[in-house]
Amino acid sequence: LAKTTQPISMDSYEGQEVNITCSHNNIATNDYITWYQQFPSQGPRFIIQGYKTKVTNEVASLFIPADRKSSTLSLPRVSLSDTAVYYCLVLLSGNTGKLIFGQGTTLQVKP
Amino acid sequence: DAGVIQSPRHEVTEMGQEVTLRCKPISGHDYLFWYRQTMMRGLELLIYFNNNVPIDDSGMPEDRFSAKMPNASFSTLKIQPSEPRDSAVYFCASSLALGKKNYNSPLHFGNGTRLTVT
Repeated sequence: LAKTTQPISMDSYEGQEVNITCSHNNIATNDYITWYQQFPSQGPRFIIQGYKTKVTNEVASLFIPADRKSSTLSLPRVSLSDTAVYYCLVLLSGNTGKLIFGQGTTLQVKP
Repeated sequence: DAGVIQSPRHEVTEMGQEVTLRCKPISGHDYLFWYRQTMMRGLELLIYFNNNVPIDDSGMPEDRFSAKMPNASFSTLKIQPSEPRDSAVYFCASSLALGKKNYNSPLHFGNGTRLTVT
């Protein structure tokens, strides 16, 4: 399974755009990249998933360069409620299901 | 849909007692996962099932832990006997499909069971 590396923590202010980058240098050809968000006292929640280039939904955008060795989760105009831990996972297509979470990035949004 | 339902939300027990955590996955989901979360070790995958069959239990800490899925709508994680180091938040998650070509369904997590063993 491809290992992921993310910053331990990040700080931001309300209204700013936040970009969290995840490194997955040994990503395999069929691997997907998935991001989850976790608030205190809750289980992780799916945010976005992509394979290449750019994916956008109502919550975030995911940018994946051509070599796919990294990906960047972009949160536009964050608010205090975006304070959470963000996890990057590399999900192998064909994987029988062993999904391993890394340490995640703790995002603190300040007023 | 009510989502993944776990019970109880909180469990406090004494060392040596048996603990049973319960999970009801989302109807129609093929996969069920049990994770454990602590500050020190983060989110750890304990075991997962596909169509009620355990596929990988290599994350189960030791023989004191056991998990079952008697049918598609119910799973249990049992710790017997419990120890203080088992104190953690235990999450159950389910997924519609994994590993299908060009399609990967996201995990849906419950709100967890906070276990405290004194």
